[in-house]
Amino acid sequence: GQQVMQIPQYQHVQEGEDFTTYCNSSTTLSNIQWYKQRPGGHPVFLIQLVKSGEVKKQKRLTFQFGEAKKNSSLHITATQTTDVGTYFCAGSVGTYKYIFGTGTRLKVLA
Amino acid sequence: GAVVSQHPSWVICKSGTSVKIECRSLDFQATTMFWYRQFPKQSLMLMATSNEGSKATYEQGVEKDKFLINHASLTLSTLTVTSAHPEDSSFYICSAKGTINTIYFGEGSWLTVV
Repeated sequence: GQQVMQIPQYQHVQEGEDFTTYCNSSTTLSNIQWYKQRPGGHPVFLIQLVKSGEVKKQKRLTFQFGEAKKNSSLHITATQTTDVGTYFCAGSVGTYKYIFGTGTRLKVLA
Repeated sequence: GAVVSQHPSWVICKSGTSVKIECRSLDFQATTMFWYRQFPKQSLMLMATSNEGSKATYEQGVEKDKFLINHASLTLSTLTVTSAHPEDSSFYICSAKGTINTIYFGEGSWLTVV
């Protein structure tokens, strides 16, 4: 079945450093979404990417969808303590059913 | 904006009893809702897709007789954990498909079976 892997599993960074998480799907995706989940909270939608090679930015966050639509990345520039949480990608093959990645847990040290 | 409400947020039940969790779309109609479970520090695992007016579609390995899903209206889907056991203790969360391709998550329900 469809699998979505993320690396790294954990990342500790010093505040101000950059952070990147990578998402890889075993199958070609129709679109990919990114979510952030704070400890004890529910996933919060960040963005959706649909087009091959698409790049979207939200302030310090840059999202990229690979040319083959099988991988994606989230890059945070100059991390802040408020960026702490687990970042999940979720891929869909076009049925509105999303398979979540394994997640990357980010800790930001002040 | 669109809101998905889940109830209860926390529930503790005795082993062998059944527990119902509700997922409501508050200001939009959701023909499709999804149920996930999440163990501590793990990812969200899709359990089933709930379609209004029809039977839910369960993912491989999910017992449909154990996790009963009902989607009787366009704004409500329920998940009933039957004959709950401690290993069913988990975070259960629903999401609802809104307009176009937007997905909205509920705030989740923490189930503890003692």
